[in-house]
Amino acid sequence: SQQGEEDPQALSIQEGENATMNCSYKTSINNLQWYRQNSGRGLVHLILIRSNEREKHSGRLRVTLDTSKKSSSLLITASRAADTASYFCATDLTSGSRLTFGEGTQLTVNP
Amino acid sequence: GAVVSQHPSWVICKSGTSVKIECRSLDFQATTMFWYRQFPKQSLMLMATSNEGSKATYEQGVEKDKFLINHASLTLSTLTVTSAHPEDSSFYICSAADGNYGYTFGSGTRLTVV
Repeated sequence: SQQGEEDPQALSIQEGENATMNCSYKTSINNLQWYRQNSGRGLVHLILIRSNEREKHSGRLRVTLDTSKKSSSLLITASRAADTASYFCATDLTSGSRLTFGEGTQLTVNP
Repeated sequence: GAVVSQHPSWVICKSGTSVKIECRSLDFQATTMFWYRQFPKQSLMLMATSNEGSKATYEQGVEKDKFLINHASLTLSTLTVTSAHPEDSSFYICSAADGNYGYTFGSGTRLTVV
């Protein structure tokens, strides 16, 4: 069963703006990951944050993790039209175990 | 980096026929492969976990006789949708843990049953 919730479900912004997506989960986790999916395509791994980490950066991406609130956020700075996609968070209990996905956020970046 | 090749990328089949989807890990050994199903505008739902050389573990509500999973080698896992019906139309994605705490996903298979 899905344990993660994401908000917003849909987000529409203008190119150049920042996009923030949030994810909450219900149980203790080992790692939390963010994935991107273009329509009808497979998933692309964006960033992994371990349960003992609080923040991580990769290019225009910034991920935070608050294990006390069981939540994470993904910030995409200076968005581009090519960032339009669905974004999912996913958690695992141990490395290599099953991933549980959040409901996803559909991001639309308007040129 | 780790690559999982999934074939076919799309398939249309007649109701009542069977369809086989293959996932191969190209540059690493995948002891465990995960199979997900995704309906339009929804998230990924885990169907089953396949382990090389043993029976797959199915999630609650997933019919193991309908969705046959074979993981005969460390680089190949297959999902066969037997006696497919229109309600089985979906996007099927495989994933393997690549040993670096990450997961590599196949590109997905769009199954349409007519």
